[in-house]
Amino acid sequence: GAGVSQSPRYKVAKRGQDVALRCDPISGHVSLFWYQQALGQGPEFLTYFQNEAQLDKSGLPSDRFFAERPEGSVSTLKIQRTQQEDSAVYLCASSLSAYNEQFFGPGTRLTVL
Amino acid sequence: AQKVTQAQTEISVVEKEDVTLDCVYETRDTTYYLFWYKQPPSGELVFLIRRNSFDEQNEISGRYSWNFQKSTSSFNFTITASQVVDSAVYFCALSADNYGQNFVFGPGTRLSVLP
Repeated sequence: GAGVSQSPRYKVAKRGQDVALRCDPISGHVSLFWYQQALGQGPEFLTYFQNEAQLDKSGLPSDRFFAERPEGSVSTLKIQRTQQEDSAVYLCASSLSAYNEQFFGPGTRLTVL
Repeated sequence: AQKVTQAQTEISVVEKEDVTLDCVYETRDTTYYLFWYKQPPSGELVFLIRRNSFDEQNEISGRYSWNFQKSTSSFNFTITASQVVDSAVYFCALSADNYGQNFVFGPGTRLSVLP
């Protein structure tokens, strides 16, 4: 595809459920980032991959959050035992390298009831 | 620690007015990159510009211009002759030359351009 795609676009989960959010980066992009954007706020960094290596996961808010990119392309962000405070838009971005501009996907809006 | 401040939460202008969005950053790194992104109502972040810390030349792209001043740690964005389609949230972001690359976004400025 031409851009970064994310699925699902919308996800409603009951508190305590596990969710998995998918990101398809632009082909050939080495770097992949996940962000969390709360309503009315700027994106907050969660984690960064260079190819399949997760080089920084300092932004993950708790051990309920887990991300992987096993083959260096598609990435999945998993949230276990979702809580209401996890409700946000989860953005994925990819770039040619860590210092290049990032191209963002449309995001997944997660609502935890 | 890195930080980006966008003091203007919301700005409203009338079409054709010029508007400047402020961005002040903090970093201890000598090599860093500054960015501006636009987030229209549709929600998808759109890249506008990247500037590295060694290039203080101002840049103009059509109606957009950017003023980078290291002395004041600012990277301001001006839209000339604003249009309704410019209505969006604008984010300034910083990426520094450290291991564990990540972007720090400012809180954003919501710009409303009224017809």
